[in-house]
Formats: sequence, C-alpha cells, structure tokens
Amino acid sequence: GAVVSQHPSWVICKSGTSVKIECRSLDFQATTMFWYRQFPKQSLMLMATSNEGSKATYEQGVEKDKFLINHASLTLSTLTVTSAHPEDSSFYICSAKGPGTTSYNEQFFGPGTRLTVL
Amino acid sequence: AQSVTQLGSHVSVSEGALVLLRCNYSSSVPPYLFWYVQYPNQGLQLLLKYTSAATLVKGINGFEAEFKKSETSFHLTKPSAHMSDAAEYFCAVSGAAGNKLTFGGGTRVLVKP
Repeated sequence: GAVVSQHPSWVICKSGTSVKIECRSLDFQATTMFWYRQFPKQSLMLMATSNEGSKATYEQGVEKDKFLINHASLTLSTLTVTSAHPEDSSFYICSAKGPGTTSYNEQFFGPGTRLTVL
Repeated sequence: AQSVTQLGSHVSVSEGALVLLRCNYSSSVPPYLFWYVQYPNQGLQLLLKYTSAATLVKGINGFEAEFKKSETSFHLTKPSAHMSDAAEYFCAVSGAAGNKLTFGGGTRVLVKP
C-alpha cells in the first residue's frame, strides 16, 4: 500500500521548452502532495506543498511562475517547469500524504524524475 | 523552526560491522522523526519512524533507531552491515512546520567487502 508513481522517470528537453511531470498516488487518496528538488549528492529541498483543489504553497525562493503546480484530483499532482533552462536540470521527487495513510506526517515518495535541459 | 543535522556526510563500514548514523534535531514541538534510504536514481524509502509510542524503533532491513529527548538525537543503527546497505540515508523531522518534513544533509554509506 501507499505507492506513489512519477512520470516520466527521465526527460531531456531543449532550453526554452516546458516540461510536465506527473505524480500519482496509486492506492490511496492524497490530500496533500509535496514537490522536492535534489541536486547531485545533496539533500532534498522542498519546493512547494500542494493541496487538492487549492493553490500550491511555495517555499521561499521558488518561482511560482516557473514551477507551476496543479493538484486537480486526490490522486494526481503535476509540476510543470516552464521555459526550462540548463540550471533547471535536477532530480525532482514528489511525495504524498493522505487521510488514508499512516498519520504522523509520514510522506510516501515517488521514484523521482531526472530532468536534463540542453 | 525545525532542523536536522546529520553528522558525517560519508560513512565507510566493513561488511558485517556495526552501522551507526547520527542525527540530531531541533524542534519547538514534540517531533515526529523519520529515517529514509535512497538508492541511486530512486526515490526515498521509509526505514522507520518515531511517533512517541516507543523510544526504540525497529524498522526494515534490520535497522533501528533510538529517540533520546535529552540529547535531541535519533541515531540509526544496524548491528551487521550488508553490501546492499550501501546507499544514502536521510534523517527527517516533522511537527513544528505542519505537514512539512525537514531533511538532514544525508549520509552516504559505503560498505567494504
């Protein structure tokens, strides 16, 4: 139980294009999902918290217009990197917390998406 | 505010030896504490969690951690390292910032044969 998937697992795009990453909770409803960014050999940095049906809450320093987050259903959140540039290349990981999962703020993580911008 | 400090960005152990990964936290409210493991190019897998039920927490793959409030610590141990334990380990705290998890910097474990 509590499986989270991400699609795609890796993506290569040209500079200036937009990329959409999907995060799905497969066997539970996730009222809250999180998006993280991880640079090589570094820890996870929280980018934003998305709650189903409402606007995402972004962490300080994260550009809202560049990283568009949509949480339209209880099982799907999407992260769109708009006008991607090489410095946006990173490993993006989502996680989910929901009423059907264990409490104590436990998060279940997706496998991550490797984004490379040429 | 909450924070996590993991002492040692790299730990090297021999196969069969004790694994000890250190984690100290700061939280203005009673914390929930987690240890996650990350294998290369993968997401995070929960090893164990402290939720105030018991100070000694047993997790998967033979790992356990002890919550020590007086030391604000939650160190992770495994009596005998296996080659498959080579990975990155993250300690995380939640509680003071709502649903958010705050991660430590991570500790990379290398297991020598």
